[in-house]
Amino acid sequence: AQSVTQPDIHITVSEGASLELRCNYSYGATPYLFWYVQSPGQGLQLLLKYFSGDTLVQGIKGFEAEFKRSQSSFNLRKPSVHWSDAAEYFCAVGAGVQGAQKLVFGQGTRLTINP
Amino acid sequence: GAVVSQHPSRVICKSGTSVKIECRSLDFQATTMFWYRQFPKQSLMLMATSNEGSKATYEQGVEKDKFLINHASLTLSTLTVTSAHPEDSSFYICSAPGGGSVLNEQFFGPGTRLTVL
Repeated sequence: AQSVTQPDIHITVSEGASLELRCNYSYGATPYLFWYVQSPGQGLQLLLKYFSGDTLVQGIKGFEAEFKRSQSSFNLRKPSVHWSDAAEYFCAVGAGVQGAQKLVFGQGTRLTINP
Repeated sequence: GAVVSQHPSRVICKSGTSVKIECRSLDFQATTMFWYRQFPKQSLMLMATSNEGSKATYEQGVEKDKFLINHASLTLSTLTVTSAHPEDSSFYICSAPGGGSVLNEQFFGPGTRLTVL
């Protein structure tokens, strides 16, 4: 069965510092991988996705993620965080028939930004 | 494009009543939609897959008689929480897969906050 692990429940970084959020997945085939961000009481916004090709993917808001098959990882990075990046971040793997992917989510990482 | 809406955004009901939540794909058709539940400070858990023209598929441990799903058209799926109890209080989110160039991408609704008193 598919699974996603986000080892860090809560991360605090200073504004302007770099950020890396970890994500490890378990999936038998080539995974469809996603990072979403959720502000309190809101829905999910897609930051970036990986299906195939270049293992370094660029997303919105200056985020990027690197797919490493050998490590079963898809870590999210940002070189310099802004106070507005404070939110909950979810890594997810797509499972199911192509075109109708149901998602399995990690536990989430709550990001706090210190001024 | 690829916008998903949910209605209502918030609902408060008394224990024992039923509540209906709508999920609509506004500018695309979706033969499949997904319903998730999110408890406070927790992750999203898939409840069921809604299929247009056929029965919904429920995940293990989800009571199909309690959480009724109807995929009435290619743009509308509804989740009815029957005989709601306080433990059903949660954030319910739907999603639909896009088509064309975003075939493998899910588009999420803004969520519905259900509070059962």
